[in-house]
Amino acid sequence: DTEVTQTPKHLVMGMTNKKSLKCEQHMGHRAMYWYKQKAKKPPELMFVYSYEKLSINESVPSRFSPECPNSSLLNLHLHALQPEDSALYLCASSQDPAVEQYFGPGTRLTVT
Amino acid sequence: RKEVEQDPGPFNVPEGATVAFNCTYSNSASQSFFWYRQDCRKEPKLLMSVYSSGNEDGRFTAQLNRASQYISLLIRDSKLSDSATYLCVVNGGGGFKTIFGAGTRLFVKA
Repeated sequence: DTEVTQTPKHLVMGMTNKKSLKCEQHMGHRAMYWYKQKAKKPPELMFVYSYEKLSINESVPSRFSPECPNSSLLNLHLHALQPEDSALYLCASSQDPAVEQYFGPGTRLTVT
Repeated sequence: RKEVEQDPGPFNVPEGATVAFNCTYSNSASQSFFWYRQDCRKEPKLLMSVYSSGNEDGRFTAQLNRASQYISLLIRDSKLSDSATYLCVVNGGGGFKTIFGAGTRLFVKA
């Protein structure tokens, strides 16, 4: 089973709100990722967790805060976002960082 | 120069046609390579990993040329359901960084 789940599917939030995106996998994968994808663009890597430790932060603004509570869960905490942060946020996982990744269905975020 | 480059297309082909996509990468230390497909408003789905020896999965064949730093995807006997964006993905080069190409749009028509 190569399933990665993400909640919520859609999220609308104001610029002063605080919200969180959630991602879960039960494949025993040790690497998890957050990507941002704008329309007609490829996914852009935001964060990589390897063995529950943050390995990569691709110069993402501090209004995005990742958290990995355990090996199956990955959260992305959102605070004081801007309208240009509206995008599809994708979570992915892989057995380790160098092999194929499996993506969740994404959360479509709109910031008003 | 972009780290991973693909021809954005679109490629418009009839059913049954053979179509090939290429992708070039700039970091010679890159370690692993993949093709994903993405349908409109959906997540990317793994199509195949790309190995130095080349690999085939049904109508799909992937090749890696490390000397020239490109990977390719060949689709034979195209189906309407092959219409999608095909993303070239390169991983590694000293870290865990994953870089997506811009994607190539394919339209297969009856």
